[in-house]
Amino acid sequence: NAGVTQTPKFQVLKTGQSMTLQCAQDMNHNSMYWYRQDPGMGLRLIYYSASEGTTDKGEVPNGYNVSRLNKREFSLRLESAAPSQTSVYFCASVGGGAWETQYFGPGTRLLVL
Amino acid sequence: DQQVKQNSPSLSVQEGRISILNCDYTNSMFDYFLWYKKYPAEGPTFLISISSIKDKNEDGRFTVFLNKSAKHLSLHIVPSQPGDSAVYFCAATPGGGGATNKLIFGTGTLLAVQP
Repeated sequence: NAGVTQTPKFQVLKTGQSMTLQCAQDMNHNSMYWYRQDPGMGLRLIYYSASEGTTDKGEVPNGYNVSRLNKREFSLRLESAAPSQTSVYFCASVGGGAWETQYFGPGTRLLVL
Repeated sequence: DQQVKQNSPSLSVQEGRISILNCDYTNSMFDYFLWYKKYPAEGPTFLISISSIKDKNEDGRFTVFLNKSAKHLSLHIVPSQPGDSAVYFCAATPGGGGATNKLIFGTGTLLAVQP
């Protein structure tokens, strides 16, 4: 049981480049989330997917798109990266009996030059 | 507007002593509160939670206290151990369960437990 996995672990982009952050969970969870963590800001929700086939905006969705590919996978896309998107990105999922226990992946560290 | 605030960016305590981490919130609609722990280069992990119908919840060395009138909660770790050294995030939600009840996180407190 790998839990929540994220790829890549680290990425450097130039301004204007695009990339997709991948997230997968093997816990059969219904809901998945994307957060970003910035110094002094805590974790902020970018997008979430309550169930397969649905996605909704969180607190800071601008500049991002998401795809809930299937129940296991939830990807985050940056179409045109900006330096302000330099951050650590975490994917999380929930769906067990204790709904509030979100399980987090190890994170993707993104640097946009 | 920061709805969940952790005003102490860092805290240092001696091994064996008590660690007290504090969290304040502004939204009176919050009725479920959680603490997450995060080690470097890892994702946050759930530690302990409390519902607004309680004022205390205990799990081993960890106890969370909730003061609704003051909109304040605290996490007590007794006794503190070097392995407790991590960043601790407070989080809150309007509750009721369900994926659409999004967590609002504080900015975190870095706890260092000195041997």
